[in-house]
Amino acid sequence: KQEVTQIPAALSVPEGENLVLNCSFTDSAIYNLQWFRQDPGKGLTSLLLIQSSQREQTSGRLNASLDKSSGRSTLYIAASQPGDSATYLCAVDGGGATNKLIFGTGTLLAVQP
Amino acid sequence: DAGITQSPRHKVTETGTPVTLRCHQTENHRYMYWYRQDPGHGLRLIHYSYGVKDTDKGEVSDGYSVSRSKTEDFLLTLESATSSQTSVYFCAISELSLGTEAFFGQGTRLTVV
Repeated sequence: KQEVTQIPAALSVPEGENLVLNCSFTDSAIYNLQWFRQDPGKGLTSLLLIQSSQREQTSGRLNASLDKSSGRSTLYIAASQPGDSATYLCAVDGGGATNKLIFGTGTLLAVQP
Repeated sequence: DAGITQSPRHKVTETGTPVTLRCHQTENHRYMYWYRQDPGHGLRLIHYSYGVKDTDKGEVSDGYSVSRSKTEDFLLTLESATSSQTSVYFCAISELSLGTEAFFGQGTRLTVV
């Protein structure tokens, strides 16, 4: 059974700092890993999708890496801003060909002005 | 934004009554999912569909049923609502097997009193 863990559960940083969020998964036989952002009371917004054949994806100040063999992904946020404050979730497909997205419990990020 | 809408957005219902939530997509995606989100548990998969009339259970399917009679609609039914089903429900769509992102609806806040 695929299990996804995100560390830390919460993080507070001053504005301008670079930061790394971590995601680990137990079954390395995944096809995709996706990072999402969720603002309070809102739905999930897709940030980056990394396919299993890729090692990283970049979008603006965000960079996500994937190491399937070790079951890890990181989301790097450069030059953090107060508007980055949100919960960040990673999700992997369920392994094999199930196409079920399995989520971690998220990291609550607060960027202090 | 991906064309995915949930209805209703908010609902209060009494214990023991049946409730149906609707998810509608305009993206023609094959996969549709229902999740619930609760504090401390993150997003948990209830049921998902991999085509018209093709559905399967997730990790928290007890007390829920689903139907998908056409590509664009995925219905979630609480057969006899209980207070433990008070939650925020999210619908998602994807074509993960094609390496595309999953997209989420804005959520339905359900309160069972």
